[in-house]
Amino acid sequence: GNSVTQMEGPVTLSEEAFLTINCTYTATGYPSLFWYVQYPGEGLQLLLKATKADDKGSNKGFEATYRKETTSFHLEKGSVQVSDSAVYFCALSGGSGGSNYKLTFGKGTLLTVNP
Amino acid sequence: DTAVSQTPKYLVTQMGNDKSIKCEQNLGHDTMYWYKQDSKKFLKIMFSYNNKELIINETVPNRFSPKSPDKAHLNLHINSLELGDSAVYFCASSLGTGSSYEQYFGPGTRLTVT
Repeated sequence: GNSVTQMEGPVTLSEEAFLTINCTYTATGYPSLFWYVQYPGEGLQLLLKATKADDKGSNKGFEATYRKETTSFHLEKGSVQVSDSAVYFCALSGGSGGSNYKLTFGKGTLLTVNP
Repeated sequence: DTAVSQTPKYLVTQMGNDKSIKCEQNLGHDTMYWYKQDSKKFLKIMFSYNNKELIINETVPNRFSPKSPDKAHLNLHINSLELGDSAVYFCASSLGTGSSYEQYFGPGTRLTVT
């Protein structure tokens, strides 16, 4: 079946630092890949997505590129802000190893940005 | 203009009780979901409905029974609550069942069983 592995946190950075959160996946076929963000006390929000190989998703200064050759979808941001402090989830759906619409999540990475 | 809403936001109850959580979406979506988030933030799907029909049931104990009276609502009823049921439960919806569809999440219901 499908699975997602993302780097364990917590990650603590200073404001304006560069962020990378690694995410790799296991799936057959061509799944869609997502990054969701959960701010404290809130539900999840879609941050960005990519639906085919070499697609780059981007939003709010965050980027991630769908790399089929390395089965990766790493999240990056050039300059983080205190307001980016949240839990980040990598997820996938589709492919031929699981239900087309079922989201499989990584374990989440807690990011704390200090001023 | 809340997209996906859940009630209640907090639920504290004793072991053995029966409780329900309600979810409503005003996005016109066809597909709805229930997820459970444990104390370590791990998210796992429980159920999914498409056009009021159950399409995913992830080996959840049969004490949990979802009900979808219409496309806009998906409720979760839990019988004989146990300590291990304590978690945050999220409702979500999507336009359809395609893999590229974004899922929209509600704010969550924090269930505490004492």
